[in-house]
Amino acid sequence: AQSVTQPDIHITVSEGASLELRCNYSYGATPYLFWYVQSPGQGLQLLLKYFSGDTLVQGIKGFEAEFKRSQSSFNLRKPSVHWSDAAEYFCAVGDLFTGGGNKLTFGTGTQLKVEL
Amino acid sequence: KAGVTQTPRYLIKTRGQQVTLSCSPISGHRSVSWYQQTPGQGLQFLFEYFSETQRNKGNFPGRFSGRQFSNSRSEMNVSTLELGDSALYLCASSKGADGTGELFFGEGSRLTVL
Repeated sequence: AQSVTQPDIHITVSEGASLELRCNYSYGATPYLFWYVQSPGQGLQLLLKYFSGDTLVQGIKGFEAEFKRSQSSFNLRKPSVHWSDAAEYFCAVGDLFTGGGNKLTFGTGTQLKVEL
Repeated sequence: KAGVTQTPRYLIKTRGQQVTLSCSPISGHRSVSWYQQTPGQGLQFLFEYFSETQRNKGNFPGRFSGRQFSNSRSEMNVSTLELGDSALYLCASSKGADGTGELFFGEGSRLTVL
């Protein structure tokens, strides 16, 4: 079965600093990978997704992620963090190849705090 | 364009009762998925419906059930509530069910079981 690991439960960065959130996955085939963000009291919003092709994908709000098959990783990055980026970030893998449709397996999330 | 609407937003039940949660997807979306979010277990997939048919089901007991109507609106039901069912229940809609589309999430229904 597929799984997703987000090693960092909490991360604190200063506004303007760069950010990298780690994500490792386990999946038997080429994965469909996603990053979602959840602000307090809100649902999840898609930041970016990777299916195939260029391993560096661009998303909304200035985020990007790089797929590294050799490391089974899909880390999220942002060059300069804004205070409004404080939220919880979830990495997820799709289950397309076992007929899973829109079923996603999520990591446990990383809570981002931004210091002003 | 209206987003995914979930009702009710908050509810309190007691053990043994049952609850029904509703989800109205974005217009034109035919897939509705349900997720349970708890501090201990995180986000867990419950089930997905597409064109009134359940396509996938997560690893939850039979007390958890759902359905989808012809207008794509979906409901989920939890019977014989347990304390551990306290959670945020999130609904997500998508145009198709091939796993490549974006899931649009509602704000959730927060269930507290006393």
